[in-house]
Amino acid sequence: DADVTQTPRNRITKTGKRIMLECSQTKGHDRMYWYRQDPGLGLQLIYYSFDVKDINKGEISDGYSVSRQAQAKFSLSLESAIPNQTALYFCATSSGRAGELFFGEGSRLTVL
Amino acid sequence: GQNIDQPTEMTATEGAIVQINCTYQTSGFNGLFWYQQHAGEAPTFLSYNVLDGLEEKGRFSSFLSRSKGYSYLLLKELQMKDSASYLCAVSGGFKTIFGAGTRLFVKA
Repeated sequence: DADVTQTPRNRITKTGKRIMLECSQTKGHDRMYWYRQDPGLGLQLIYYSFDVKDINKGEISDGYSVSRQAQAKFSLSLESAIPNQTALYFCATSSGRAGELFFGEGSRLTVL
Repeated sequence: GQNIDQPTEMTATEGAIVQINCTYQTSGFNGLFWYQQHAGEAPTFLSYNVLDGLEEKGRFSSFLSRSKGYSYLLLKELQMKDSASYLCAVSGGFKTIFGAGTRLFVKA
């Protein structure tokens, strides 16, 4: 089983719908991240969390919200999806300040 | 501001050596990472540099010059399976930021 698991892996939805992407990890890491990847733009940080009570905005947080339900779970929500949120979303974890990132397999979201 | 630059695409021949360059300007520096990402898959860790110099790991090596804001990833004895995107990333402050990635095509 993967150490960092994302659900759903693929989702097609319509403009205005609420979408939640879930991430769970078994690595025991405190730090969790949500990134978005668009062709030619690389990975952009949406939100990050260093523990259950710590939530921080990344580079592109507008239109997104997150919830850290437990050390092992970090969810990303799109309250009202729009087409330019069509992208590949990755959850990642790390063990420390300069630790390598461990990525989930990605969630491909298409907003029509 | 924060910026990471790397070439968009490179092509090399199987068995050859290729060097992928990365320049960066970031606020804070805790280390520089290289990740490999095959199409449609998650990035996977390749290397980490925090001090100046060369780090070697099998066919892959990574170099860092902090004063120049410069790194490169060196891939030796290229194999077809090395065709992938290579992401340069800098850990600074409390987060890691990524370059757009370099797509490497390995041809026979």
